[in-house]
Order: sequence, then structure tokens, then C-alpha cells
Amino acid sequence: KNEVEQSPQNLTAQEGEFITINCSYSVGISALHWLQQHPGGGIVSLFMLSSGKKKHGRLIATINIQEKHSSLHITASHPRDSAVYICAGFLIQGAQKLVFGQGTRLTINP
Amino acid sequence: GAVVSQHPSWVICKSGTSVKIECRSLDFQATTMFWYRQFPKQSLMLMATSNEGSKATYEQGVEKDKFLINHASLTLSTLTVTSAHPEDSSFYICSARKAGGPSGTQYFGPGTRLLVL
Repeated sequence: KNEVEQSPQNLTAQEGEFITINCSYSVGISALHWLQQHPGGGIVSLFMLSSGKKKHGRLIATINIQEKHSSLHITASHPRDSAVYICAGFLIQGAQKLVFGQGTRLTINP
Repeated sequence: GAVVSQHPSWVICKSGTSVKIECRSLDFQATTMFWYRQFPKQSLMLMATSNEGSKATYEQGVEKDKFLINHASLTLSTLTVTSAHPEDSSFYICSARKAGGPSGTQYFGPGTRLLVL
């Protein structure tokens, strides 16, 4: 069983729609990263959070520690938001490494 | 701040040759760097963790003699793919953890696309 599970795997929406991507994680993960990967391949770190909520522009990330669940929201989505969004959990035990979800491929149509 | 670069951004080589990929932290010191591999439409897979001045720790199933990692300074780690074969063709990404920074924070490089013919 993967320690980080994302849903949905693929998401297609119209420009302007409100987008939600979900991430569930297992015990032993102390913090979550949300990453964005565009078709060219480069990865951009959007958020790292261990509690509460963070906002940057049209992006909002929330985490519920009790439920071991995090969400990434995009308001007023735009075609340039089309990318793969990856949730990655930081393991505090052992090797202290990131474990990655499978990613959500988001396509925003104009 | 916290910029990580990789060089080259893409490389094509013949089967049997060795390829070196550099990962640099441009504006901070990185005590730990990570090397990932990504196949098309798949997520990142950690290959090894590299600590400055010591031997890299490889993940299970990753051949250390095949993928040589050197972390000689606090701003540079290199990954050498030795005797490359077509199955080594992949997207290689490094990340760096800032010295003294939060342990969970990693800054990612732009990646290096390797094609072995």
C-alpha cells in the first residue's frame, strides 16, 4: 500500500471552475508537499504544510492532521494551471525522505 | 532564494558511454541532496540520498556501481550513469535540503532528460 494516495488521477475542467485535488497519507508522515510539474518536466514546490491552511494567489492548500488528509484547491482555474500536481509526504522515521503520490493530471480547457 | 540548477538539461548518448549530471544549489548550502528518476507518466522514484562528505545511501534495487553519486561540496552533487543503456533513458531530478532549514523542505532542480541510443 502506498503511503500517499492521491485522487483523482486525471481531472478535466473548464476554465473558471473550482478545482480540488485530494491526498491521503499514512502514519509517520509529518508534513506534506504539494508540487506542480508542467509538461516540460520541471518541478515547482507550491506548498509545504504540517497543519492548517496556506494560500498563495489562487492556490489554497489545507491539511487535517487527525484525518491524515490534505487538499489542494485552485480557484478561477485557467488553462495555464494545466499540469501534474503531486502530493508528497515527509517521513519522519528512518531515512526521513519524501514519498510521492501518483500525481493528478489536471487539464483546464478554455 | 533556494534555487537548484541541473546541467545538462538534456543529453543524448550512445549505449555504453557514461553520462554525468550535475546538481547545484545556487544560493544556499545543501547538506543533503536527493536524486530521483521519473519514467513517463509515473511519479518520482527516489534513487539515492547524498550527504556532503559521505557516501550516498541508495534505495533498494538501485545499483550503486551503475549510478555513481558524488557530493563533494555543500553546493554540488553529481550523478554519473555508467555504461548507459537504453533502459536508463529517463528524466532525472535532483533536490536539495538547505543546511539548517526545516528537515522536510526540499528544493527541486529542473531535471535532466537522458536518452540513450
